Amino acid sequence: AQTVTQSQPEMSVQEAETVTLSCTYDTSENNYYLFWYKQPPSRQMILVIRQEAYKQQNATENRFSVNFQKAAKSFSLKISDSQLGDTAMYFCALGYGANSKLTFGKGITLSVRP
Amino acid sequence: DGGITQSPKYLFRKEGQNVTLSCEQNLNHDAMYWYRQDPGQGLRLIYYSQIVNDFQKGDIAEGYSVSREKKESFPLTVTSAQKNPTAFYLCASSISISYNEQFFGPGTRLTVL
Repeated sequence: AQTVTQSQPEMSVQEAETVTLSCTYDTSENNYYLFWYKQPPSRQMILVIRQEAYKQQNATENRFSVNFQKAAKSFSLKISDSQLGDTAMYFCALGYGANSKLTFGKGITLSVRP
Repeated sequence: DGGITQSPKYLFRKEGQNVTLSCEQNLNHDAMYWYRQDPGQGLRLIYYSQIVNDFQKGDIAEGYSVSREKKESFPLTVTSAQKNPTAFYLCASSISISYNEQFFGPGTRLTVL
């Protein structure tokens, strides 16, 4: 069975600073994908970033980047130059192979302070 | 604009009544999913469908039913057998069952009184 663990329920960061959200996972699959989704107060789920396990290079999307440590089964999200609009709940998710069911972590609530 | 629509945004029902949540997509995606979100629980998979006229139970299917008669539509019925139906329900779709990235609708908040 696949599991995704987000151990920090809440975090807070000052506007313009950098914050890192942690995620660990467990899977016996070799071919899998990892995602970070953002859920703002509107509750619309938005894909932030995606990482294929076979790629060694860490994915980046503008101010968002990941630190993917395959051996440690760790997948953290770094948000640089935090903005007020980054205030949201963030979910880490794992999918694998030919079955695109996703396993989600419990999420972390991020608050960006002005 | 392509996307996923869920209606209504808020739904209220009396205990013991069945209720159907709508999910429509115009992305031409083959696979569709229903999730339930509770505070502190993350998202849990209820049902998913890989193709028209086919669907599979997810992790928490008891008390729910679905149909997939059209590619665009994947309605979820919350039956009276569901013990704790009050929750936020999210519908998602992906290009195919083998393509992991999922796109989500805006969700429906169901409150059972």
